[in-house]
Amino acid sequence: ILNVEQSPQSLHVQEGDSTNFTCSFPSSNFYALHWYRWETAKSPEALFVMTLNGDEKKKGRISATLNTKEGYSYLYIKGSQPEDSATYLCLGGWVSGGSNYKLTFGKGTLLTVNP
Amino acid sequence: DVKVTQSSRYLVKRTGEKVFLECVQDMDHENMFWYRQDPGLGLRLIYFSYDVKMKEKGDIPEGYSVSREKKERFSLILESASTNQTSMYLCASSDRGTTDTQYFGPGTRLTVL
Repeated sequence: ILNVEQSPQSLHVQEGDSTNFTCSFPSSNFYALHWYRWETAKSPEALFVMTLNGDEKKKGRISATLNTKEGYSYLYIKGSQPEDSATYLCLGGWVSGGSNYKLTFGKGTLLTVNP
Repeated sequence: DVKVTQSSRYLVKRTGEKVFLECVQDMDHENMFWYRQDPGLGLRLIYFSYDVKMKEKGDIPEGYSVSREKKERFSLILESASTNQTSMYLCASSDRGTTDTQYFGPGTRLTVL
């Protein structure tokens, strides 16, 4: 089983604060890193997918970076709002023998934004 | 919009019963996945399928089987339900590409008594 580590496990911030959290993954045979947002009582929704070292993606106040050489990705939220409260999941993908591939989710970071 | 539906939101079964969880997607996706989500353990892959009648074991396949007779439908089967299979089960689908986004269903909260 390929290990995807997310930190911190949970985070409480005040409305307006900027925050960031980390996803670490094995870099050998890596091919893609996805970020998902999972709000309570809803289904996980995709935020970004990144494949190349140095990739940066942005959607509104949320952005992400990728370092494939050292095996980590950061997710940044600028000016957090209560509606950003959710669990943020990263999903790593690796090539696993020929054309097969392996996908593993991290355990997530639970973000709570207090008004 | 992609739509992934699951047959039940909540299900209560007894130990030893055979349980079927159904998932249907309407976007002609090749890949379909079954996960379970438990507190502190995140989303863990049970099985996935990359084509009709094709299946691959995920990280925790023990106690489960799957069926994919039609492209749009992927079923998870608990042959003899046990209390440690009480969990939230999520289905997802994606296109075949290795970087394609997974689209998730609403989940089924299964309780095994």
